[in-house]
Amino acid sequence: AQKITQTQPGMFVQEKEAVTLDCTYDTSDPSYGLFWYKQPSSGEMIFLIYQGSYDQQNATEGRYSLNFQKARKSANLVISASQLGDSAMYFCAMREWMDSSYKLIFGSGTRLLVRP
Amino acid sequence: EPEVTQTPSHQVTQMGQEVILRCVPISNHLYFYWYRQILGQKVEFLVSFYNNEISEKSEIFDDQFSVERPDGSNFTLKIRSTKLEDSAMYFCASSQRGTGGYEQYFGPGTRLTVT
Repeated sequence: AQKITQTQPGMFVQEKEAVTLDCTYDTSDPSYGLFWYKQPSSGEMIFLIYQGSYDQQNATEGRYSLNFQKARKSANLVISASQLGDSAMYFCAMREWMDSSYKLIFGSGTRLLVRP
Repeated sequence: EPEVTQTPSHQVTQMGQEVILRCVPISNHLYFYWYRQILGQKVEFLVSFYNNEISEKSEIFDDQFSVERPDGSNFTLKIRSTKLEDSAMYFCASSQRGTGGYEQYFGPGTRLTVT
């Protein structure tokens, strides 16, 4: 069975600094995908970034980048130049294939608080 | 930018009552999903839906749950007889394709409170 582990229940970062949120995964499937979602206090789930297991380069989307270390089975999210609006829950998720589509398996999340 | 919408944003119901949660997926998406998140816990997969039928469902999705796409735009989740433990945030999601790297776009969620 696939598994996603986020070991940091809460993190603090100073505004304008970078922060890394950890995510490790476990799968025997050679083809997989990893996602990060942001959940602000309002509750919605906002897609941030995706990394495929065969992608040669680490994914980047604006201030978000994914530090993908396949051998270590880690997919850490790096947020550069933190902003106050980055304060939220962050969930790492992995794609699990089904017959005709896929579902997402989520980690337990990390709550990030950006200090002014 | 197209987005997934959900109504209502908050639903309060009494135990044993039926509820229908509604979702309008992104218009050119073909795969639809329901997830739930009990307060303070991780997001859990409930069911996926494609080509007017359920593709897969989790063990949570028992006989009390059903999904339907009654027309070309809406996607609904029905809970026949709600229990206290059904209180959660319910997220609808849709994706353009079932395979490949296409991400699932989530709606804003419906917070269901069962009293």
